[in-house]
Amino acid sequence: GAGVSQSPSNKVTEKGKDVELRCDPISGHTALYWYRQSLGQGLEFLIYFQGNSAPDKSGLPSDRFSAERTGGSVSTLTIQRTQQEDSAVYLCASSLWGGETQYFGPGTRLLVL
Amino acid sequence: EDQVTQSPEALRLQEGESSSLNCSYTVSGLRGLFWYRQDPGKGPEFLFTLYSAGEEKEKERLKATLTKKESFLHITAPKPEDSATYLCAVQVRGNEKLTFGTGTRLTIIP
Repeated sequence: GAGVSQSPSNKVTEKGKDVELRCDPISGHTALYWYRQSLGQGLEFLIYFQGNSAPDKSGLPSDRFSAERTGGSVSTLTIQRTQQEDSAVYLCASSLWGGETQYFGPGTRLLVL
Repeated sequence: EDQVTQSPEALRLQEGESSSLNCSYTVSGLRGLFWYRQDPGKGPEFLFTLYSAGEEKEKERLKATLTKKESFLHITAPKPEDSATYLCAVQVRGNEKLTFGTGTRLTIIP
């Protein structure tokens, strides 16, 4: 079956612009997660959704970062006024329920110039 | 604070040379320990979940084991296609997020 999909695959933007990253989870998965992977660093948790609610937003690095999920499916991660330090790979994962095994998408590679 | 440390950072092996990767963790109540494989330019691919000390799981040339303080990923007679970065992550009770180590970059030389 189809796995987690993310779009775009790559995004190059200029400092100060806003970007939107999209995640389509595995069909039927109620839990969705966003992580960030910076060069030389491990995966860093950003936010967790159960259904359309986000009970854990503790990893969002600043108020420039926000995310939403609609219809219990697709999620969008928005970064406003991008900075060069936002350059990273943004990974989305989904699981059947919170606490179950997380399956990752291919990621969106964001480069802020 | 939950911590995960993986060693070594990088490992080069000859094809057929068996070895082990280490994942040490300090957490407040382990729910599960996860191993993933990540190829360059791709997302992590799930390998194993271990829930309790003494548990072992196997898949082809890989075997994962768990104690109360660490996990090992044993690779037996590796092949070049086993080359990848292997990531360890923990999940604690009452929290759905994964906390990752920085990975071991494994290279198998033909």
